[in-house]
Amino acid sequence: QVQLVESGGGVVQPGKSLTLSCSASGFAFKSHGMHWVRQAPGKGLEWVAGIWFDGSNTYYADSVKGRFTISRDNSMNTLFLQVDSLRGEDTARYYCARDRATDTGDYYFDSWGQGTQVIVSS
Amino acid sequence: IVMTQSPDSLAVSLGERATINCRSSQSLLDRSNSKNYLAWYQQKPGQPPKLLVYWASTREFGVPDRFSGSGSGTDFTLTISSLQAEDVAVYYCQQYYRTIVTFGPGTKVDIK
Repeated sequence: QVQLVESGGGVVQPGKSLTLSCSASGFAFKSHGMHWVRQAPGKGLEWVAGIWFDGSNTYYADSVKGRFTISRDNSMNTLFLQVDSLRGEDTARYYCARDRATDTGDYYFDSWGQGTQVIVSS
Repeated sequence: IVMTQSPDSLAVSLGERATINCRSSQSLLDRSNSKNYLAWYQQKPGQPPKLLVYWASTREFGVPDRFSGSGSGTDFTLTISSLQAEDVAVYYCQQYYRTIVTFGPGTKVDIK
């Protein structure tokens, strides 16, 4: 079955960087768009970034544009999120999510990981 | 596109109907294919979200038929026809009309 496992979260100081990873299994990773969605403590869902199946196009929420970079390695079935210049408002659980549609995708998500927690604090 | 939901929370008796509303700041209907780019998710405490409905009214595989989505354009509804104890959760709508997707703020459903 589809499995998404995030890693790389932790406690980090403001202004610092972190790389989140999402290891995928149980499906043709190279055929699906992938996304990162975050959830601040006690708050709702916020889409962060998305990437096409082949990595040729990426999209970002305005709140993270220029600071976050989404990428993928289809040979390793792994999705990444490079998070730079971290701010307190980036504190959240970061979920990896699969686009239900293949190729360029439709941008709704049928499989989610359990998430990795990022805490930005001095 | 800004998504709003109402109510913020509701409490419904077991077996009764629960209705959640979602409104978008612009139409989610693509007239070229007659599709509304709207999905619904359920999130239980401590768990990731689960896809319930997409294209406004298509139920995801394995989702009980007591869950149904309706609406078009800017106004949408998720209905739980007969609330069960396991339906206690927060429900989110999400638009994917634009590649910059946005979620509604969520509606918390509890048992009365």
